[in-house]
Amino acid sequence: IAGITQAPTSQILAAGRRMTLRCTQDMRHNAMYWYRQDLGLGLRLIHYSNTAGTTGKGEVPDGYSVSRANTDDFPLTLASAVPSQTSVYFCASSLEEGFNEQFFGPGTRLTVL
Amino acid sequence: GESVGLHLPTLSVQEGDNSIINCAYSNSASDYFIWYKQESGKGPQFIIDIRSNMDKRQGQRVTVLLNKTVKHLSLQIAATQPGDSAVYFCAEGGTSYDKVIFGPGTSLSVIP
Repeated sequence: IAGITQAPTSQILAAGRRMTLRCTQDMRHNAMYWYRQDLGLGLRLIHYSNTAGTTGKGEVPDGYSVSRANTDDFPLTLASAVPSQTSVYFCASSLEEGFNEQFFGPGTRLTVL
Repeated sequence: GESVGLHLPTLSVQEGDNSIINCAYSNSASDYFIWYKQESGKGPQFIIDIRSNMDKRQGQRVTVLLNKTVKHLSLQIAATQPGDSAVYFCAEGGTSYDKVIFGPGTSLSVIP
C-alpha cells in the first residue's frame, strides 16, 4: 500500500441497506477525514478523527458513523442508506490534526437507489 | 453566510499561457488557505498553501496571492501545460477544523 486507499471504487446500493466504506493509510498520519463531494457544492466534511480512538463530527454527519480503532483504518458506515447519500466519498489523512495539508484517497462513488 | 466562492466556473487557456484562477472568501477570521487540484476520477491533490500573514507564496510554476483587504485569493499557473487540465478549488480555515470551507471548483481546460 502506498498512501491512502479506499474500497470499494464504486457501489450501487438499495435504499435502507447498510454500507461501510473502507479507508486505509500507511503514512502513519494521526488525523483522518471523510468528505462527500457533490457537484456545485464542493467538499463537505462528514466526520474526522484527530488520532486513534477519537472521532468528531463535521459539517454533514447525519446518517453516517465512523470508528478509529487504530492509526491506519477509518471506516465510514451508512446505517440505512438514503438516495440523498448518493455522492462521491473521499477519505483523507494528514500528519497533524486541524486544517493543514491533506492527502486524499481516490474516492468511492456511491449510488443509492 | 460564510462562504468560499470562485468567480469563474470554467476557464480555457492556450498551452503555454499563464492561468489565473480566482477565489473569494467571506470569513475574515480565516488564517490559512489551500489550493487543490483534482483531475478527473481522482482525489484532490494539494498544490500550495498560504497563511494570512503572507501576501504571496510561490511554488513550482504556481503562485498564490492573498489580498486580505478584499478577501480574495488567486492561483497563478505559469506556462500552462495540458497536464494542468483539472478542477481547482480553494479551501479556507482557521484554528477550528469544523470551520473549513471548500469552494465548488473551477474547471481549467488547456488548449493544445
